[in-house]
Amino acid sequence: DQQVKQNSPSLSVQEGRISILNCDYTNSMFDYFLWYKKYPAEGPTFLISISSIKDKNEDGRFTVFLNKSAKHLSLHIVPSQPGDSAVYFCAASVSGSQGNLIFGKGTKLSVKP
Amino acid sequence: DAGVIQSPRHEVTEMGQEVTLRCKPISGHDYLFWYRQTMMRGLELLIYFNNNVPIDDSGMPEDRFSAKMPNASFSTLKIQPSEPRDSAVYFCASSPLNTEAFFGQGTRLTVV
Repeated sequence: DQQVKQNSPSLSVQEGRISILNCDYTNSMFDYFLWYKKYPAEGPTFLISISSIKDKNEDGRFTVFLNKSAKHLSLHIVPSQPGDSAVYFCAASVSGSQGNLIFGKGTKLSVKP
Repeated sequence: DAGVIQSPRHEVTEMGQEVTLRCKPISGHDYLFWYRQTMMRGLELLIYFNNNVPIDDSGMPEDRFSAKMPNASFSTLKIQPSEPRDSAVYFCASSPLNTEAFFGQGTRLTVV
């Protein structure tokens, strides 16, 4: 049973518009969440994270929102750029679990010029 | 820092052969992880080490898989004997704490 779910395998957005990538989790013990970005033939790279004590974290064009009651988080990219086209992975962990990140299956974002 | 270095980048081998994947973590990182990415299962953790000691190998699919970390700067993932269903991209990652992990570029393994 998947503990971290990204239900949309792909998303297409026009350049300049907002991209919203969603992630749901089932384990209420998760208290640290991350988003990774992956280009073809490369490893995932860390993008942004959020602790469960917050409901929002912003870094430039990227904002992550956490809704603990709904066990849902989302990544907003505004404005979207063609270079943002990649696969985005949501990941979650329990602090103190010492290293066990659980990843979703990813959402492929395509930003069209 | 050069980041996490994995070798080889690509490996094609015949079923039944032994395969060894290599990883050099970022210097100073205490945690090392091996992940496998497939279309069906996504990115799944196989095993991770803390200070060279295996902590959780519950993700290792079978006894055919083994991993070692003889020192802080080197780890191997071995598959013996390999099978076609082992074909996947294998990632090594390291992190200084239980926060974001830094991934290598991966090894694409094809078992024919």
